[in-house]
Amino acid sequence: NAGVTQTPKFQVLKTGQSMTLQCAQDMNHEYMSWYRQDPGMGLRLIHYSVGAGITDQGEVPNGYNVSRSTTEDFPLRLLSAAPSQTSVYFCASSVTLSGANVLTFGAGSRLTVL
Amino acid sequence: AQSVAQPEDQVNVAEGNPLTVKCTYSVSGNPYLFWYVQYPNRGLQFLLKYITGDNLVKGSYGFEAEFNKSQTSFHLKKPSALVSDSALYFCAPHRPGYALNFGKGTSLLVTP
Repeated sequence: NAGVTQTPKFQVLKTGQSMTLQCAQDMNHEYMSWYRQDPGMGLRLIHYSVGAGITDQGEVPNGYNVSRSTTEDFPLRLLSAAPSQTSVYFCASSVTLSGANVLTFGAGSRLTVL
Repeated sequence: AQSVAQPEDQVNVAEGNPLTVKCTYSVSGNPYLFWYVQYPNRGLQFLLKYITGDNLVKGSYGFEAEFNKSQTSFHLKKPSALVSDSALYFCAPHRPGYALNFGKGTSLLVTP
């Protein structure tokens, strides 16, 4: 059971480049989400999804796009990277959003934008 | 609006002493309350949660948390700290049906 898998683990981009952070889970979880972690800012929610075909914005969605075409995958797209998007990104999933379900986190993706 | 406050950026404690990491929240309704831990260069792991019932919840690695409804607090505690407890701790009140927001985190440093 792999849990939540994030790729890549590390990435360096130049300003204006685009990329996709991949997130996959094999637990048949309905709920998936993306957070970014910055020093002194804690974890901030970027986007989330309560099921295939359904996405919504979190606290800091600007500059990021998501889609949820399957239950398993929830990619995060940066269309035009900016230095302010330098961060560590975490994908997390849980069974549903309605109960006291535990979030399972991926190992994180460290992104540097030059 | 929902908010969670972890008033201390860092907590320092000597090994063997009790520790407390504070959390207060402002969330509508009766949220579930979670603590997660992040060890250095790792992802977050679930530590414990409060749903209902006894105000003292026991979790992993000897940690426990005390729920206080009148003060809307959910402080994390451990009777005897270990150096290996040094990590970043996040409080997260969860209103069912809404996305989970985390506090800013408290860095716990346990010294030998």
